Amino acid sequence: DAKTTQPPSMDCAEGRAANLPCNHSTISGNEYVYWYRQIHSQGPQYIIHGLKNNETNEMASLIITEDRKSSTLILPHATLRDTAVYYCIVPRAGGTSYGKLTFGQGTILTVHP
Amino acid sequence: DAGVIQSPRHEVTEMGQEVTLRCKPISGHNSLFWYRQTMMRGLELLIYFNNNVPIDDSGMPEDRFSAKMPNASFSTLKIQPSEPRDSAVYFCASSPRAGAKNIQYFGAGTRLSVL
Repeated sequence: DAKTTQPPSMDCAEGRAANLPCNHSTISGNEYVYWYRQIHSQGPQYIIHGLKNNETNEMASLIITEDRKSSTLILPHATLRDTAVYYCIVPRAGGTSYGKLTFGQGTILTVHP
Repeated sequence: DAGVIQSPRHEVTEMGQEVTLRCKPISGHNSLFWYRQTMMRGLELLIYFNNNVPIDDSGMPEDRFSAKMPNASFSTLKIQPSEPRDSAVYFCASSPRAGAKNIQYFGAGTRLSVL
């Protein structure tokens, strides 16, 4: 997997947007960026993924820079339930590596009242 | 849909005993993954199956660990004999289709304590 770098922790006020950055400067042209989160004592949860265009779903938005070397996950109106560890993952594309996710240390997001 | 179901949720055993963890993937999903999470090593992929066939077991720590998927709705991860260093949370995940293996749905995990 392409190496990803995330800040170890971030804080956010409830109701405000949470912007979680990820650096993936060694990403290859056909590799996607995936975001997962893990709420305490639960299994990881898929959030969103993208290749080069910005993506939005009911959970979050994903902004990928034009050079694809970094991305930002945006939770538009954070709630206390969004407190979790957020993982940015860039899996190798294709072959037997397809489906092999490498979870790093992630970013611990704490949403405050 | 009930999601990925793992059992038991908690398991406490003594060193040397056999431990079997169970997983029922989401119906219709054709890929299944076993992960282990510890404070020291984080979340690691142990093995994954595609259409009930093991594809990559390079993450299995040693011969004491084995995994099977006898049919599309059931998988087991067995540790024999168990050791204290096997204490961890074990997650099972499934993925819906060939073109979306990186979108995985995780179970609630089994917390294993080996005394």
